[in-house]
Amino acid sequence: AQSVTQLDSHVSVSEGTPVLLRCNYSSSYSPSLFWYVQHPNKGLQLLLKYTSAATLVKGINGFEAEFKKSETSFHLTKPSAHMSDAAEYFCVVTLFTTTSGTYKYIFGTGTRLKVLA
Amino acid sequence: GAVVSQHPSRVICKSGTSVKIECRSLDFQATTMFWYRQFPKQSLMLMATSNEGSKATYEQGVEKDKFLINHASLTLSTLTVTSAHPEDSSFYICSARDGGWVRGRNSPLHFGNGTRLTVT
Repeated sequence: AQSVTQLDSHVSVSEGTPVLLRCNYSSSYSPSLFWYVQHPNKGLQLLLKYTSAATLVKGINGFEAEFKKSETSFHLTKPSAHMSDAAEYFCVVTLFTTTSGTYKYIFGTGTRLKVLA
Repeated sequence: GAVVSQHPSRVICKSGTSVKIECRSLDFQATTMFWYRQFPKQSLMLMATSNEGSKATYEQGVEKDKFLINHASLTLSTLTVTSAHPEDSSFYICSARDGGWVRGRNSPLHFGNGTRLTVT
């Protein structure tokens, strides 16, 4: 079965320092993986996606993620944190379900990023 | 592109009444829409998958008679919380996937801004 594990529920960084948000996945086939960001009381915004093309994926707002099959990881990084990056981040993998005949999106438990001035 | 509009953003209702939440894909056709529920400081819990023109598929533990989903067109899905009770108070988020069957698992989800439901 497909699943994702976000290893850290909270991450705090100082403004201007690098960000690393960790995600490990398990999948019985080549996965599609996504990172989303959610600001308080808002919906989710797509940061980037991996769909078996390039293993290093660049997203919006300076974020990028690297797909490492050997480590079953898809960690999200940013070279320099900004105050506006403070939010909740979700790693997502897709799962095909025969009952609905479509793909479900399995969410990790989320990582709350705090950026200190 | 790929904008999903969700209304209302906030609603307060009395216990026993019903509330309808609308989810529209504004610039693309969404054959599949998903409804999620999110409790404070928690991840999103999938409630149901809605395919245009067919019955929704509900996740285990979600009452289909309480949470009625209608996906009558390629751009509109609605969630109606019937006979709402205080325990139904939550943040409800809809999402849609552009592209049909062919794109499958590679299509990202596009999310509405959510609806904060408070039942008094």
